[in-house]
Amino acid sequence: GEDVEQSLFLSVREGDSSVINCTYTDSSSTYLYWYKQEPGAGLQLLTYIFSNMDMKQDQRLTVLLNKKDKHLSLRIADTQTGDSAIYFCAESIRSNYQLIWGAGTKLIIKP
Amino acid sequence: DGGITQSPKYLFRKEGQNVTLSCEQNLNHDAMYWYRQDPGQGLRLIYYSQIVNDFQKGDIAEGYSVSREKKESFPLTVTSAQKNPTAFYLCASSPSASGRGDTQYFGPGTRLTVL
Repeated sequence: GEDVEQSLFLSVREGDSSVINCTYTDSSSTYLYWYKQEPGAGLQLLTYIFSNMDMKQDQRLTVLLNKKDKHLSLRIADTQTGDSAIYFCAESIRSNYQLIWGAGTKLIIKP
Repeated sequence: DGGITQSPKYLFRKEGQNVTLSCEQNLNHDAMYWYRQDPGQGLRLIYYSQIVNDFQKGDIAEGYSVSREKKESFPLTVTSAQKNPTAFYLCASSPSASGRGDTQYFGPGTRLTVL
């Protein structure tokens, strides 16, 4: 079945770049999403990429998609303390109306 | 201000009681969703609705019920049949359920604790 995998934790120093990785199994993905969740809050859509794109950049955020390896990454440049959160990867597939979610990566910022 | 509201933010329930979580959206979205989130896990889909008066079970529907009588409202009832209901519940909506570009937007969540 469909599956999305992420590592559970990532620790970076303030000011460095963070790269959060995600792998998925369904090759019929149409859109792939990154959401951010701060403690005790709902999920905030950060960005998304259509499956026929390789890269998308939005200010400090860069999304890279490698369809051959079914690998998605989110790079956050100049990581700040406000970036501390859980980041979820999700894919939308053609066969149904649901999103398939990863377990989330907790980004920890070291001073 | 357009958005999704969930109430209450915190909810306490005694074992054996049913409880209803509210979700309202004024985004004019057709589709609405309920998810459950447990620590260290991703989101698990409970129920979803693509259109008024219609809804489908998700992956973990047992012990839950929903209704969709109005486009803007999708309440979730956690029944006494749900064996482990303590969790964070998230409601979401998307413009359509076409399966293409169905970006989901989330409410702030309700934390349910069973005492």
